[in-house]
Amino acid sequence: DTGVSQDPRHKITKRGQNVTFRCDPISEHNRLYWYRQTLGQGPEFLTYFQNEAQLEKSRLLSDRFSAERPKGSFSTLEIQRTEQGDSAMYLCASSLESAGQYFGPGTRLTVT
Amino acid sequence: GEDVEQSLFLSVREGDSSVINCTYTDSSSTYLYWYKQEPGAGLQLLTYIFSNMDMKQDQRLTVLLNKKDKHLSLRIADTQTGDSAIYFCAESVTNAGKSTFGDGTTLTVKP
Repeated sequence: DTGVSQDPRHKITKRGQNVTFRCDPISEHNRLYWYRQTLGQGPEFLTYFQNEAQLEKSRLLSDRFSAERPKGSFSTLEIQRTEQGDSAMYLCASSLESAGQYFGPGTRLTVT
Repeated sequence: GEDVEQSLFLSVREGDSSVINCTYTDSSSTYLYWYKQEPGAGLQLLTYIFSNMDMKQDQRLTVLLNKKDKHLSLRIADTQTGDSAIYFCAESVTNAGKSTFGDGTTLTVKP
């Protein structure tokens, strides 16, 4: 399967801990996106990379959130000092030149 | 800022047509998308339309765009139980960069 993959699929953490999620995009895709989705809502944009450059970052992304894509391939999203409000599904997507994004299955984060 | 609105629920009988509606506010939206999300899964891109088109057909799916009213619809012909899912409308200004999503329409198909 050559789709977008995300790891882990589920993460339960205690408030105040740091967590890191990984996304592996479709191999030839140069654009990579992170979104957050809560129950009953659509995905909310967090950040976007073209190759290794982070080109856009949402105001939603507080200083506790950081994303990297060091070699223009996989990406990581780190949340420091997690809060209960961070509980959500974190979705990664990738695209090439054409319109539309291809989404991974998501990482469900629960902060207790 | 950008906003995308959808009705929350739609219920149809198997074999009927489904029409899911969406409105958006950003007049510079150039690309408009429909995605499908099944329980426990990520979003699947179904189709998209450029803002200079008013209709696009792809097998059982027909997308209609009224740019003047900023209204987008997705028609599913001969709806099947496997079409039951949440359908998201989204828009973007370019084919790169972020997309803004609605909150989804839950389609229930009754046998």
